[in-house]
Amino acid sequence: QKEVEQNSGPLSVPEGAIASLNCTYSDRVSQSFFWYRQYSGKSPELIMSIYSNGDKEDGRFTAQLNKASQYVSLLIRDSQPSDSATYLCAVNQAGTALIFGKGTTLSVSS
Amino acid sequence: NAGVMQNPRHLVRRRGQEARLRCSPMKGHSHVYWYRQLPEEGLKFMVYLQKENIIDESGMPKERFSAEFPKEGPSILRIQQVVRGDSAAYFCASSPYAALTSGNTIYFGEGSWLTVV
Repeated sequence: QKEVEQNSGPLSVPEGAIASLNCTYSDRVSQSFFWYRQYSGKSPELIMSIYSNGDKEDGRFTAQLNKASQYVSLLIRDSQPSDSATYLCAVNQAGTALIFGKGTTLSVSS
Repeated sequence: NAGVMQNPRHLVRRRGQEARLRCSPMKGHSHVYWYRQLPEEGLKFMVYLQKENIIDESGMPKERFSAEFPKEGPSILRIQQVVRGDSAAYFCASSPYAALTSGNTIYFGEGSWLTVV
């Protein structure tokens, strides 16, 4: 059974701080890793994808992947109240559907 | 370029009725995925389809649920004899290829919210 684990939170950070979101996965052959953001009552929206070990930066977002530790994280710099949402980690192997974690709720206070 | 289109957006059914949810993938996408999200829960994979084929239905409940993606027309998720526990948001997603590698990912529709009364 493939599993993706996330701390449900809520994770509370002040505006301007760095938010750190973590995710572990059980299937060692997983190849692709994604972070989605979901606002309440809305559909998931892709933020970042990462496929190789190391860091990948896109604006205020940095995804980090460590396949040996089966760990992927998302850092949000200069957090804004508009970043308040649930962040979903998703993992897949080639030819299969994405498997999602339950999500971490982030609250950014102004 | 239209995104993934789902309808109806909201559906109310009485216990025992049937619910049909439709999904039209993005143009050029031939892979469709259905997910269910219960209140305060994460996205649970249900079924993965390609045109006229079910690729993976490991997440589908064994009874009352079925899905299809015909050669022509949208993908349909069908729930027979609905019960209150079926109340959830049902999300459809699509991708152009099977392998979700660099440059290829899945895109979600806006969801269909089913309420069983």
